[in-house]
Amino acid sequence: DIQMTQSPSTLSASVGDRVTITCRASQSISSWLAWYQQKPGKAPTLLIYKASSLEGGVPSRFSGSGSGTEFTLTISSLQPDDFATYYCQQYNSYWTFGQGTKVEIK
Amino acid sequence: QVQLVESGGDVVQPGRSLRLSCAASGFTFSNFGMHWVRQAPGKGLEWVAVISYDGGNKYYADSVKGRFTISRDNSKNTLYLQMNSLRAEDTAVYYCAKSQTALVIDPHYFDYWGQGTLVTVSS
Repeated sequence: DIQMTQSPSTLSASVGDRVTITCRASQSISSWLAWYQQKPGKAPTLLIYKASSLEGGVPSRFSGSGSGTEFTLTISSLQPDDFATYYCQQYNSYWTFGQGTKVEIK
Repeated sequence: QVQLVESGGDVVQPGRSLRLSCAASGFTFSNFGMHWVRQAPGKGLEWVAVISYDGGNKYYADSVKGRFTISRDNSKNTLYLQMNSLRAEDTAVYYCAKSQTALVIDPHYFDYWGQGTLVTVSS
């Protein structure tokens, strides 16, 4: 089974900050990685797929990079609507999620 | 627009059964694979099961294999999850999610999710 490890688990930031979340896979997953945003009491929504492709309608301040085992999600300028929990997901072999990164207000 | 609406969540005793449903609209349901994903209270996301566009291929997480069965009725645009021998650790919000491919063997992510239905397993 492929394990996904996100860091940090919690991130405190202010509006306007540049934020980076890291996701590591236990083995190479090529670029088969997605990022989701989840707000309390809501379903996850897709932000990025294939490591760096932005889903339609997602603001351009979100970007993804990486391949193999190391991936990052970057929010270039944090907005009030971005305070949420973010999950990475590998889909190279079945489907596994990271444990999540909660972005909270500093 | 794509809509996925789950139903069937309830409070059940350990060892009992429950069937969840997911009604789909806004897309050609019979053209896409579908998943169930769950989230225990205060925890992260766990993939549960997947079914191909025609129901011909199904895969399960080890944690539910042999107890849960995924199925679909393309004439009713509905996805199902039959859950037997329920355990306390099955307590979670269950989401259905849409694949962007028909064949589940192709690498794919989940492009739309329902709002979830809560299953509580407790005596």
